[in-house]
Amino acid sequence: GAGVSQSPSNKVTEKGKDVELRCDPISGHTALYWYRQSLGQGLEFLIYFQGNSAPDKSGLPSDRFSAERTGGSVSTLTIQRTQQEDSAVYLCASSFQYQTETQYFGPGTRLLVL
Amino acid sequence: GNSVTQMEGPVTLSEEAFLTINCTYTATGYPSLFWYVQYPGEGLQLLLKATKADDKGSNKGFEATYRKETTSFHLEKGSVQVSDSAVYFCALSGTGRRALTFGSGTRLQVQP
Repeated sequence: GAGVSQSPSNKVTEKGKDVELRCDPISGHTALYWYRQSLGQGLEFLIYFQGNSAPDKSGLPSDRFSAERTGGSVSTLTIQRTQQEDSAVYLCASSFQYQTETQYFGPGTRLLVL
Repeated sequence: GNSVTQMEGPVTLSEEAFLTINCTYTATGYPSLFWYVQYPGEGLQLLLKATKADDKGSNKGFEATYRKETTSFHLEKGSVQVSDSAVYFCALSGTGRRALTFGSGTRLQVQP
């Protein structure tokens, strides 16, 4: 079956603009995660959705970052007023549940803020 | 909080050499442990995992054993190939936090 898909694959934006990144998880996966991979910080957790529970937003670096998940499926990560330090690869992953279940990663969206 | 420490790279080996990439962790409770691999130009893929102490994860000739007494999960392969060249990430999923905590990654380069 299809894996996790993300769009766009690349995004170039100007400092101060808002961007939206999309993630389509594997069908039937109830858990969805966003991570960020950058040269200086490695792989960092951003936000986690599990079913209808309130999301775990503990990894979001600032209030410019937000995410939503509609209908328990597609998720959108929004970065407002982008800064150059937001440049990174944004990864989405999904899994059936949590803890011991494998997380399957999408190909990522490479964001460059000029 | 949870943390993962893995050896810095790059690690450069000749084909058929023995590989060890060290990984140690700090976590409360009983985390699950993972090795993910990122091949050039590709996304993260699960390589192997172990969910409890003394479990051994294995895949594609790679192995790692969950050692609770030493809080370690070292990755080993007896004979590496050029196609194993990639970045390897050790990670854990804790009892109190669902998301993965990753190590900094170790780049492996295998020369023919």
